Amino acid sequence: DTGVSQNPRHKITKRGQNVTFRCDPISEHNRLYWYRQTLGQGPEFLTYFQNEAQLEKSRLLSDRFSAERPKGSFSTLEIQRTEQGDSAMYLCASSLGPADGYTFGSGTRLTVV
Amino acid sequence: RKEVEQDPGPFNVPEGATVAFNCTYSNSASQSFFWYRQDCRKEPKLLMSVYSSGNEDGRFTAQLNRASQYISLLIRDSKLSDSATYLCVVIVGGNEKLTFGTGTRLTIIP
Repeated sequence: DTGVSQNPRHKITKRGQNVTFRCDPISEHNRLYWYRQTLGQGPEFLTYFQNEAQLEKSRLLSDRFSAERPKGSFSTLEIQRTEQGDSAMYLCASSLGPADGYTFGSGTRLTVV
Repeated sequence: RKEVEQDPGPFNVPEGATVAFNCTYSNSASQSFFWYRQDCRKEPKLLMSVYSSGNEDGRFTAQLNRASQYISLLIRDSKLSDSATYLCVVIVGGNEKLTFGTGTRLTIIP
């Protein structure tokens, strides 16, 4: 499979717990993006990496959120002390650059109860 | 004001009809424009890029009006399989992030 892979597909967690999601981009893509999508809305940008460097973070990304891409390959998104408002679909995308298009993974659906 | 605005719909259209969506963007520095399609509970997928000269791909035609800062998508001879949410997306110059509209939900009725 040469697409963008995200794990897990679904996550149900209790409020206050920490969760971590993983994204494996297309192997030759040096850019990796995280988005969040809630019902009835378009995806909202969270952060992006070029290789291992995190180049931009949205102000939506509170101190409870952290993302890493330690070796410029896969990335993780961690949410600490989850809140019900964190319930959303978390989408990862990868790209060679804006002119080359973006490929999205199937997303991780988070439900905080 | 939202950076990218779309009529959320829903648009309920009979099979075979022509349907058009518009989208407006607020940042005049926007440089790249796209339409993405998103099926229910699936990831967004690129439908087509939008060029200044307009472009066509089969039954789909996209146009860009920079002066009025809007983008359009026309679907001719609509099929049941066209039922989806259509997302208008822009990239502001010097930037790499995609900025999405809320999406327009389309249902094709047999």
